Amino acid sequence: AQSVTQLDSQVPVFEEAPVELRCNYSSSVSVYLFWYVQYPNQGLQLLLKYLSGSTLVKGINGFEAEFNKSQTSFHLRKPSVHISDTAEYFCAVSDPPGNDMRFGAGTRLTVKP
Amino acid sequence: NAGVTQTPKFRVLKTGQSMTLLCAQDMNHEYMYWYRQDPGMGLRLIHYSVGEGTTAKGEVPDGYNVSRLKKQNFLLGLESAAPSQTSVYFCATRPSGAGNQPQHFGDGTRLSIL
Repeated sequence: AQSVTQLDSQVPVFEEAPVELRCNYSSSVSVYLFWYVQYPNQGLQLLLKYLSGSTLVKGINGFEAEFNKSQTSFHLRKPSVHISDTAEYFCAVSDPPGNDMRFGAGTRLTVKP
Repeated sequence: NAGVTQTPKFRVLKTGQSMTLLCAQDMNHEYMYWYRQDPGMGLRLIHYSVGEGTTAKGEVPDGYNVSRLKKQNFLLGLESAAPSQTSVYFCATRPSGAGNQPQHFGDGTRLSIL
């Protein structure tokens, strides 16, 4: 079965600094990869997804992620964070023709002024 | 356009009580999911449905039952609640397809079992 490891449970960072949230997955087959964001007391919202093609994927709110097949990684990056980016971020994977999706444990990003 | 609506938003139960959580969607999606979210464990799949009248077990199905009598509704039941079922429950939906469609989430139900 698929598994997802988010390497950092908490990431504190100052406003306007760059940030990287790390995600590794286990799979020997082609996969679909997703990053979701969860703001307090809300459900998850899609940030970006990788299905195929270019390994650099751009999402909403200035986030991007890079798919690295050899390292089975899908790290999320943002060059300059804002206070409003404070949230929990989840990496997820599904494999075709998969009916379900596996989520990582989450990374709590805290942006400090 | 409401998207995915979960009812209720909060509930406190006593051990042994039963209850049903309702998920309603207006996006005409085939697939529906129930997850639980616990600190440090991410989202874990309880049960899911790939269409009206079908259900399947996920990663942590014990203690829960589900029904999908109508396409737009997916019910999650706790027959005899236990403190270990204290959690935040999320419903999600997606269109049919080969897993390349993102899931759309409700805002969650916060359930406490005393």
